[in-house]
Amino acid sequence: GAGVSQTPSNKVTEKGKYVELRCDPISGHTALYWYRQSLGQGPEFLIYFQGTGAADDSGLPNDRFFAVRPEGSVSTLKIQRTERGDSAVYLCASSFEEGTEAFFGQGTRLTVV
Amino acid sequence: GENVEQHPSTLSVQEGDSAVIKCTYSDSASNYFPWYKQELGKGPQLIIDIRSNVGEKKDQRIAVTLNKTAKHFSLHITETQPEDSAVYFCAALNYGGSQGNLIFGKGTKLSVKP
Repeated sequence: GAGVSQTPSNKVTEKGKYVELRCDPISGHTALYWYRQSLGQGPEFLIYFQGTGAADDSGLPNDRFFAVRPEGSVSTLKIQRTERGDSAVYLCASSFEEGTEAFFGQGTRLTVV
Repeated sequence: GENVEQHPSTLSVQEGDSAVIKCTYSDSASNYFPWYKQELGKGPQLIIDIRSNVGEKKDQRIAVTLNKTAKHFSLHITETQPEDSAVYFCAALNYGGSQGNLIFGKGTKLSVKP
């Protein structure tokens, strides 16, 4: 596709459940980022991939959060044992390489009830 | 690590007036400063960016200035239009450093009154 695609656009889950959020970056972009945005706040960094490897996962809040990018393209953010505090918009972005223009997807709105 | 402060949090202007949003950063090694516009229900969209080797950049009604000594940068929108209404975020990055991710400000909600 022409832009970064995130699915689903909305996800409602019960507390304690497991969720997966998917990101399809722009074709050819080697860098991929996950951010979390709470209401009225700026995006907060979670994890950054360069190719298949996680170059920086220092933003992941705890070990319930994990992300993969096995083939250097599509990435999945996985959240185990969801908590109500995990409710937010999860944004994915990609760039041709680190330090160049980052393009964001429309986000996945996660609501934990 | 880097910390980005953004002011004001809300800004209301009349159509045709100018709008200025200011950001400061803490890490003197940061060298890339993009500005994003976010409309309701959408992801942030890059509107302009500046690198530390220049002091000003313009693109039609939008301009960004950078003062490396003071560690602050500003977004200027002239001849504002109602469609400029959105939340604007500044960000900073140390390209080539150990941290590859953007650090964002908390955003400015701009309202342009027709």
